[in-house]
Amino acid sequence: DAGVIQSPRHEVTEMGQEVTLRCKPISGHDYLFWYRQTMMRGLELLIYFNNNVPIDDSGMPEDRFSAKMPNASFSTLKIQPSEPRDSAVYFCASSMRGVYSNQPQHFGDGTRLSIL
Amino acid sequence: GQNIDQPTEMTATEGAIVQINCTYQTSGFNGLFWYQQHAGEAPTFLSYNVLDGLEEKGRFSSFLSRSKGYSYLLLKELQMKDSASYLCAVRVNTNAGKSTFGDGTTLTVKP
Repeated sequence: DAGVIQSPRHEVTEMGQEVTLRCKPISGHDYLFWYRQTMMRGLELLIYFNNNVPIDDSGMPEDRFSAKMPNASFSTLKIQPSEPRDSAVYFCASSMRGVYSNQPQHFGDGTRLSIL
Repeated sequence: GQNIDQPTEMTATEGAIVQINCTYQTSGFNGLFWYQQHAGEAPTFLSYNVLDGLEEKGRFSSFLSRSKGYSYLLLKELQMKDSASYLCAVRVNTNAGKSTFGDGTTLTVKP
């Protein structure tokens, strides 16, 4: 049973470059979440989708960040242009809707992003 | 929004019992989750509470009091591998699917 798959696992790039992070959720899951985790700010929700539709993007830090979910099995998070302060671990998670809302989120292994 | 508080760090001895507390302030509460996150890894689901009381799952138990906005995670017979960060997450609104995470409690288990 495949879990949430993220790529790449590590990315090191220079500031100003475009960065694209990819996520494949668990098949059959209705929700997809993008998080950013740093020591200073903990785990922050950036955006989440329900049935491929963005529901809440209030956590997206600024216009340099964008996310898409063109179909139920694929999502991207793009940063353009990237800045050193974007360095963090980015997690993608997915969950089922669940009648009693007891469905947990399943996290991918994350992408460790370093912007030099 | 939600306000979630957890202690930053805790230390305990192998074989002992430890209780990690979480307090929250929110409206439209609809469930509380505990996740475990080992260093350098992703969070993994441990437990879920939506009604008051204790949920037991092997060495781990989780308690909820909705009137007090309070939960705890109880870890028994501590093992070295339990050293990790423990995240409390609150969900509001059944249909939203969204949970807000606390900053996590880093537990160190010593021999």
